[in-house]
Amino acid sequence: DQQVKQNSPSLSVQEGRISILNCDYTNSMFDYFLWYKKYPAEGPTFLISISSIKDKNEDGRFTVFLNKSAKHLSLHIVPSQPGDSAVYFCAAKEGTYKYIFGTGTRLKVLA
Amino acid sequence: EAGVAQSPRYKIIEKRQSVAFWCNPISGHATLYWYQQILGQGPKLLIQFQNNGVVDDSQLPKDRFSAERLKGVDSTLKIQPAKLEDSAVYLCASSTTGVAGGVQFFGPGTRLTVL
Repeated sequence: DQQVKQNSPSLSVQEGRISILNCDYTNSMFDYFLWYKKYPAEGPTFLISISSIKDKNEDGRFTVFLNKSAKHLSLHIVPSQPGDSAVYFCAAKEGTYKYIFGTGTRLKVLA
Repeated sequence: EAGVAQSPRYKIIEKRQSVAFWCNPISGHATLYWYQQILGQGPKLLIQFQNNGVVDDSQLPKDRFSAERLKGVDSTLKIQPAKLEDSAVYLCASSTTGVAGGVQFFGPGTRLTVL
């Protein structure tokens, strides 16, 4: 039973345009969400997070939106750069510092 | 600040053999996690330590997997005996327990291939 889902396994975007990565979840008890970025042969690195009491969090080119009623969050990258090409995982916190990860979306930014 | 260290980076073994992975978390991080990431999937939590105590090992296949965190610092994860389906990347992560919500810092992972 996949509690955190990323339904798009891959996404291609032109450099300079917006990248939108989506994540859906089923457990209404999740209270904190994170996005991680992963390059090949490296561990995931933290990108941005959002608490369930907020609906938006912005950090430079990265913005995460949370729609609690729809149990949906999205990561916007504007403008997209070739260095953003990576696999992006969303993760949701359950209980005390336990995180459940989605399956990832591979983003390719075309120069 | 040094990151999370893991070794080895790669390991190839035959089924029914044993293997061990080592992790050194970021200094001062009380919480340590071991994840299994099978190709095409997201990381799946195997075990979570708070200092040297186990917080969650509900998804650890205890008949073959074991983990310990002696003195609340380094940790080892062992598989004995290995099966073909254990082929995966094993990620170690650590975090503080402060108000940041426990953002996890990951090591580079150990890629295990079981033949």
